[in-house]
Amino acid sequence: NAGVTQTPKFRVLKTGQSMTLLCAQDMNHEYMYWYRQDPGMGLRLIHYSVGEGTTAKGEVPDGYNVSRLKKQNFLLGLESAAPSQTSVYFCASSYTSGRYNEQFFGPGTRLTVL
Amino acid sequence: AQSVTQLDSQVPVFEEAPVELRCNYSSSVSVYLFWYVQYPNQGLQLLLKYLSGSTLVKGINGFEAEFNKSQTSFHLRKPSVHISDTAEYFCAVSDPGGTNAGKSTFGDGTTLTVKP
Repeated sequence: NAGVTQTPKFRVLKTGQSMTLLCAQDMNHEYMYWYRQDPGMGLRLIHYSVGEGTTAKGEVPDGYNVSRLKKQNFLLGLESAAPSQTSVYFCASSYTSGRYNEQFFGPGTRLTVL
Repeated sequence: AQSVTQLDSQVPVFEEAPVELRCNYSSSVSVYLFWYVQYPNQGLQLLLKYLSGSTLVKGINGFEAEFNKSQTSFHLRKPSVHISDTAEYFCAVSDPGGTNAGKSTFGDGTTLTVKP
């Protein structure tokens, strides 16, 4: 099993450009999450999904959109990138609710917005 | 609302010495508690978790943590660290009930640096 994979690993954007980050998991997990990690600020939840076709806002959703058209994939979109979105983005998944189950994390995508 | 405070942002320690990484939480309800480890340029992976039962929880790589309800703490310990333990460690808390669908709140992280 590959676990949780993220594409791409690195990306540099100019302000105003758009892009989509892809997360895929092969563990048949129901729940999927997108986080951003900034120095000294831990992980902050952007959006999450409790199943195919569902999405919900997390702690810092502004400027991002998500879609979960297939159970194994969770896409994070930036419609008009801003320098404040420079960060490392992590996708995670869990079998059922992450309240009591561990979350499995991908390796991250390092995004720089100039 | 729940929150997590990791009391030390950086902890330097010599190889084979004991280490304690401190985590306090605040919550108005019972909680589940987790410690994750992040090695350089990797994602997070679970070290251990407390759901219920024994307050002393053992995890991977020789780590353990003790849940202290009265002090609202969940400190991580290892009696003898190795160079390979150098990493960032995150404490996380989640609410067993409610409608937050299992979202965890993460602390800001503690960087453990093990020196030879």
